[in-house]
Amino acid sequence: DVVLTQSPLSLPVTLGQPASISCRSSQGLVSSDGNTYFHWFHQRPGQSPRRLIYMVSNRDSGVPDRFSGSGSGTDFTLKISRVEAEDLGVYYCMQHTHWPFTFGQGTKLEIK
Amino acid sequence: EVQLVESGGGLVRPGESLRLSCVASGFTFKNFWMNWVRQTPGKGLEWVAHIIPDGTVTFHVDSVKGRFAISRDNARNSVYLQMNNLGPEDTAVYYCVPWGHDVYWGQGILATVSS
Repeated sequence: DVVLTQSPLSLPVTLGQPASISCRSSQGLVSSDGNTYFHWFHQRPGQSPRRLIYMVSNRDSGVPDRFSGSGSGTDFTLKISRVEAEDLGVYYCMQHTHWPFTFGQGTKLEIK
Repeated sequence: EVQLVESGGGLVRPGESLRLSCVASGFTFKNFWMNWVRQTPGKGLEWVAHIIPDGTVTFHVDSVKGRFAISRDNARNSVYLQMNNLGPEDTAVYYCVPWGHDVYWGQGILATVSS
């Protein structure tokens, strides 16, 4: 199975400051069709997860442009340019290039 | 508006069964891959099962293979997860997750396996 390793697991931030989360895959995530099926999700306390970024760097509808995704191969990054209060919660990376689809263990973004 | 109504969870004893259902509306169900994903405090998020739009191909994670079965009824805009021979390790919140260009998550339903 593909193992996705996120770092850090806990990220204390100051509102208005940037934040960055890394996700490293145990295998390359480029599919046979040339696409990289790698995504980022956000889960607020008491809510279901919501996808933020799909296919490495594309923002889902309604996602603020302060969120950006980048990376290739086995190393990926989610960046928030200026953290707002609504951004708190847990962030998960996820791949669906290889079955079984897998998630990272989650990074908890909290106020410093 | 997308709605996903999950049902069928509850408390059962080890070895017993549950059948989860998810009725969808607000999007073209027959065009979406349908999935069940579960979440536990200890193991985080785990993709349990996946079924393609026409229902002819399914995938199950190894930990549930032979015990769980995903199915769908496109005429009823519904997806199901039959869970047999449940064990305490299957205790989780189960989410119905339609996947297309957009991705939606249900509110989750709790299945608890305990003696």
